[in-house]
Order: sequence, then structure tokens, then C-alpha cells
Amino acid sequence: KQEVTQIPAALSVPEGENLVLNCSFTDSAIYNLQWFRQDPGKGLTSLLLIQSSQREQTSGRLNASLDKSSGRSTLYIAASQPGDSATYLCAVLGGNNRLAFGKGNQVVVIP
Amino acid sequence: EAGVTQFPSHSVIEKGQTVTLRCDPISGHDNLYWYRRVMGKEIKFLLHFVKESKQDESGMPNNRFLAERTGGTYSTLKVQPAELEDSGVYFCASSSGRWEQYFGPGTRLTVT
Repeated sequence: KQEVTQIPAALSVPEGENLVLNCSFTDSAIYNLQWFRQDPGKGLTSLLLIQSSQREQTSGRLNASLDKSSGRSTLYIAASQPGDSATYLCAVLGGNNRLAFGKGNQVVVIP
Repeated sequence: EAGVTQFPSHSVIEKGQTVTLRCDPISGHDNLYWYRRVMGKEIKFLLHFVKESKQDESGMPNNRFLAERTGGTYSTLKVQPAELEDSGVYFCASSSGRWEQYFGPGTRLTVT
């Protein structure tokens, strides 16, 4: 059974600092890994998808890396802004075609 | 292009009542998924449709939950009778093959 862990559960950073969010998973047999953003009371917005054959993906200020063999992914958000305050979720797609989620990193960017 | 839509956004029902949630996937997406998040827990898989067929329903909690996907388009998830522990947020997602899953806004179900 795939287990996904996100550390830390919550963090606060001053505006302008870089954010580093960690995700680990127990079964390295994955097809891809997605990072999502969730705002309070809202749905999930997909931020980045990394295929199992890729090492990283970038979109604007966001960069996600994947080390499949060690079961780890890191999401970097450069020069954080108050609008980046949200919960960030990591999810991996396994051979059973279902996403396994972590509990999320709750981020507050302090102006 | 319209995203995944879900209805209703919020439902409050009493224990023992029936509730039906609806999901409209992105047009052309053969894969449709239901997930659920209960208080304090991570989002968990419920079931997966490929077109109108149930590919995997191993995540369904018990036989009080029934999902259908008519004609391979929209899907419904019925809970009958609802119990207190069914409260949570129910998400629907769709995808084309084993690619990015796009999520709807969710339905918040409260059973009192």
C-alpha cells in the first residue's frame, strides 16, 4: 500500500523567502507525481505533474524535483508572495491508476 | 474549455437520509474518479470509471455507497442511508489516460 508523507505539516515564511516543501512515498513504482494547491473551501488546482522518467518540472516560480528511486519529491517556490498562502498537496499515481495523497503542507506567507 | 463540475457544492442531511452527488467531467475524458477527504485525514480514492464501466471500486467504504456513470458522461454517487462518518468533502476528477487528473471543486457533505 502506497503511503505519502509531507513534511512539515505547516509552515510560515516571510514574504520574499523561498519555500521548500517535501514529499516522500513508500512505493517507487509510480507513473507520475502531481503537486496540487488547495485554497480554503476550494477544490484542487494542479500545479505541476512530473512523469516517472523525469527529474524535474518548472512552471514560473515553481520547480518540482523527483527522485523516484529514493521515493522523494520537493516543491520549490521562489520569492514567496502572500498569494502563495494555501495548502500544497503531493499525490502519486501508481499501477492501480489511483492517486495516493499526502496530508498536505499548510503554508502561510507573512507580508 | 469547461473544467470538472460538481453539484451540489454543499449538502446537509440527517442521518438515515439519502444524498446523491453529481460530477460532470471534462468533455472527452474517459477516466472519472471519485475521492473523499474526511476531517483530519488525507484525500482517499473511492472508485474509478473508464467510460461507463467501473474499473476499480475497491476504495468504496461499504455497500451504502453506489456510483454510476450513465453513457460514459456524468457520474453520480449515492449514499443511502447516510451515517455520521460519511461527512467529508467528496471530490471528482477526470483524466485522459494515465495523465494529469483534473479535480472539481468538491461537494461538502455534512451528516447530522
